[in-house]
Amino acid sequence: GIQVEQSPPDLILQEGANSTLRCNFSDSVNNLQWFHQNPWGQLINLFYIPSGTKQNGRLSATTVATERYSLLYISSSQTTDSGVYFCAAQSGGSYIPTFGRGTSLIVHP
Amino acid sequence: KAGVTQTPRYLIKTRGQQVTLSCSPISGHRSVSWYQQTPGQGLQFLFEYFSETQRNKGNFPGRFSGRQFSNSRSEMNVSTLELGDSALYLCASSRTSGGEVGTDTQYFGPGTRLTVL
Repeated sequence: GIQVEQSPPDLILQEGANSTLRCNFSDSVNNLQWFHQNPWGQLINLFYIPSGTKQNGRLSATTVATERYSLLYISSSQTTDSGVYFCAAQSGGSYIPTFGRGTSLIVHP
Repeated sequence: KAGVTQTPRYLIKTRGQQVTLSCSPISGHRSVSWYQQTPGQGLQFLFEYFSETQRNKGNFPGRFSGRQFSNSRSEMNVSTLELGDSALYLCASSRTSGGEVGTDTQYFGPGTRLTVL
């Protein structure tokens, strides 16, 4: 099955800093999603982005399907951005999402 | 509009027992997906139901099963519990699904934390 790797595993920022999280996948995908899990465990679906670029406020995501990676950009980070960011990919023959191990982000005030 | 609710929030069981978890989706949502999250294996997809039919199933043994009712509420059952089944079980609902989980925005519940002793 498809392999999904995220980097970096951990990230510590000061409030106001920008960051880029990366998700590499081993096969062509028909679906790529980004999620945020806050420190209390609540999971939020951020983006559905099998290709191209999307933006939602301070967050944006870009997937370059031909090169098998996706990037999540966080600008002007806030303490509420802390948590774990997951990407999940689905390859052509499967409707099952495979998750990466996540990037743990801590934003200090 | 009420969010996704899961009951119970916490559960302690012993090995060999069985457990049933419940998920009530957002009103009007017809797709419900279940996920297991453990420190060792991370997040894993269990199954997805749409209009009372299981459409997608992850790589879990037959001890894990589920169903969806006509009101879109869903339950998952784990029989013959093992220590490794201790996990946070999350469900998510979405309005529709084209067959691929996640093509429509998924809204997650707070999860049920299951501890197997």
